[in-house]
Amino acid sequence: EADIYQTPRYLVIGTGKKITLECSQTMGHDKMYWYQQDPGMELHLIHYSYGVNSTEKGDLSSESTVSRIRTEHFPLTLESARPSHTSQYLCASSDSLNSGANVLTFGAGSRLTVL
Amino acid sequence: QKEVEQDPGPLSVPEGAIVSLNCTYSNSAFQYFMWYRQYSRKGPELLMYTYSSGNKEDGRFTAQVDKSSKYISLFIRDSQPSDSATYLCAMRVSGGYNKLIFGAGTRLAVHP
Repeated sequence: EADIYQTPRYLVIGTGKKITLECSQTMGHDKMYWYQQDPGMELHLIHYSYGVNSTEKGDLSSESTVSRIRTEHFPLTLESARPSHTSQYLCASSDSLNSGANVLTFGAGSRLTVL
Repeated sequence: QKEVEQDPGPLSVPEGAIVSLNCTYSNSAFQYFMWYRQYSRKGPELLMYTYSSGNKEDGRFTAQVDKSSKYISLFIRDSQPSDSATYLCAMRVSGGYNKLIFGAGTRLAVHP
């Protein structure tokens, strides 16, 4: 079944730890995105990729980094986590063939808590 | 000022009610308008999208766009407890970088 998968779903870590949030999609979509979602707030785009070896920062400044070595994989890394990084991180993908509406398919999210 | 404004609710209605969810926006260049539904502890999923003005119907859901008023609506007829979720509006301009602007979401609770 075509889908988009995020792991871990929940993560609680201490300050200063390095973490990687994994995102994989099986739909062959060329575009992938990372959004940050806090309660009662809009989704904010933090990173996006139009294809392999293409990554750009989004509108919301983030200390995280991403990589896109394979079409299906778009991991997000925080080198040194801080309490201010506590949030829900949503991965999404879209297909250039539907570039008009740019319909996004979202993963279930990774909820990160930094103590 | 935010580009997209959405009342966060919560909105509580009895089963069977007609629900109206709304967003206003400031950018007259927006051409694509979408509604996503997000259940608790899940990612958003697309409900409907419309291009430019007009109405679109899909089962119990109707999306309306009024570009002259910069106002979009989602109507849910015969609401069910399974409709309880957060509803996010999203919109973008046509062409160029495919950037979606999201509203903050409205929490809806449909009680039996």
